[in-house]
Amino acid sequence: GENVEQHPSTLSVQEGDSAVIKCTYSDSASNYFPWYKQELGKRPQLIIDIRSNVGEKKDQRIAVTLNKTAKHFSLHITETQPEDSAVYFCAARDEKLTFGTGTRLTIIP
Amino acid sequence: NAGVTQTPKFQVLKTGQSMTLQCAQDMNHNSMYWYRQDPGMGLRLIYYSASEGTTDKGEVPNGYNVSRLNKREFSLRLESAAPSQTSVYFCASSADSHSNQPQHFGDGTRLSIL
Repeated sequence: GENVEQHPSTLSVQEGDSAVIKCTYSDSASNYFPWYKQELGKRPQLIIDIRSNVGEKKDQRIAVTLNKTAKHFSLHITETQPEDSAVYFCAARDEKLTFGTGTRLTIIP
Repeated sequence: NAGVTQTPKFQVLKTGQSMTLQCAQDMNHNSMYWYRQDPGMGLRLIYYSASEGTTDKGEVPNGYNVSRLNKREFSLRLESAAPSQTSVYFCASSADSHSNQPQHFGDGTRLSIL
């Protein structure tokens, strides 16, 4: 089955700086890569996703890049704000969605 | 639209008790999923239902059973609860399980087994 590794497990950045979270996956058949944001005590919510036929996707301050050859994908958040503080999960899908173990992002005012 | 609704939100059980967690979605989705979330381990798939009338095991199915009651509802049952099943349980749904459509999550059920 699929195995997804996510790094770092915790990340602190100054407000206004950029944050990058990286994930690797094992199954070359995986073709869908969503990112979820989970605030404390809340449900995971989809913030962006990318399909294997594209290498990059942007949505305002959030971008995701995908390198199929190396089997890794990354989340980039620019101009970070306090409300970006949360746990972020990557996931990869072949037949089923497999999640990474999460990154706790803290934005320091 | 409420999206995905889970009940109850919190529950405390004693070891050996049984319980059913309920999940319903109003998005006319074909596929539904049950996950558990433990600290440092992300979300792990327990069971899923690709369509009404079908269910399949996920990564961690032992100790659980599921029922896809109809297109809207997918329940998770613990027949004899164990402390290792203390976790936060999330139900999710998606348009289907074969195309790359996002999963939408409920608010979760926080379950403690004493």
